[in-house]
Amino acid sequence: GENVEQHPSTLSVQEGDSAVIKCTYSDSASNYFPWYKQELGKRPQLIIDIRSNVGEKKDQRIAVTLNKTAKHFSLHITETQPEDSAVYFCAANSAGNQFYFGTGTSLTVIP
Amino acid sequence: DAMVIQNPRYQVTQFGKPVTLSCSQTLNHNVMYWYQQKSSQAPKLLFHYYDKDFNNEADTPDNFQSRRPNTSFCFLDIRSPGLGDAAMYLCATSLIASNQPQHFGDGTRLSIL
Repeated sequence: GENVEQHPSTLSVQEGDSAVIKCTYSDSASNYFPWYKQELGKRPQLIIDIRSNVGEKKDQRIAVTLNKTAKHFSLHITETQPEDSAVYFCAANSAGNQFYFGTGTSLTVIP
Repeated sequence: DAMVIQNPRYQVTQFGKPVTLSCSQTLNHNVMYWYQQKSSQAPKLLFHYYDKDFNNEADTPDNFQSRRPNTSFCFLDIRSPGLGDAAMYLCATSLIASNQPQHFGDGTRLSIL
């Protein structure tokens, strides 16, 4: 099955700086890569996703890049704000209906 | 709004006493998932339904069972909860295609006394 690795496990940045979280996957058949933000005690919320026919996608301060050859994808948050503090999970979806999650990154934005 | 609804939000049960968690959806999605999430960990897939087809993860304990009586509802039954089963249980749905997002419910926080 698919194996998704996520780094770093914790990340602290100053408000206004950028944050980057990286994930790698093992199954070349994976074709959909969502990113979720989860605040304490709440459900994971989809913040951005990318499909395998696209190399980059941007939504305001959030962007995701995908390198299919290297099998890695990254989340970029610019101009970070304290409300960006949360746990972020990457995931990969291959043929079938299963989503494989990374281990999560706890992001802290220091005011 | 169309959504995924989990009841109850908080559930307390006694060690060994069966408990059922419920999930309903108004999205008319084909696939429904149950995840277990423990503190500071990623959601762990327990099983999923593709329409009525049940798919169990290899490492899901036999203590966990599921039912999907129709498209809208899915239940998680824990037959004999142990202390290690205390966790957040998340239900999610998605369309049948492999490149569609999951939609999560708010979860049920299960505590074992």
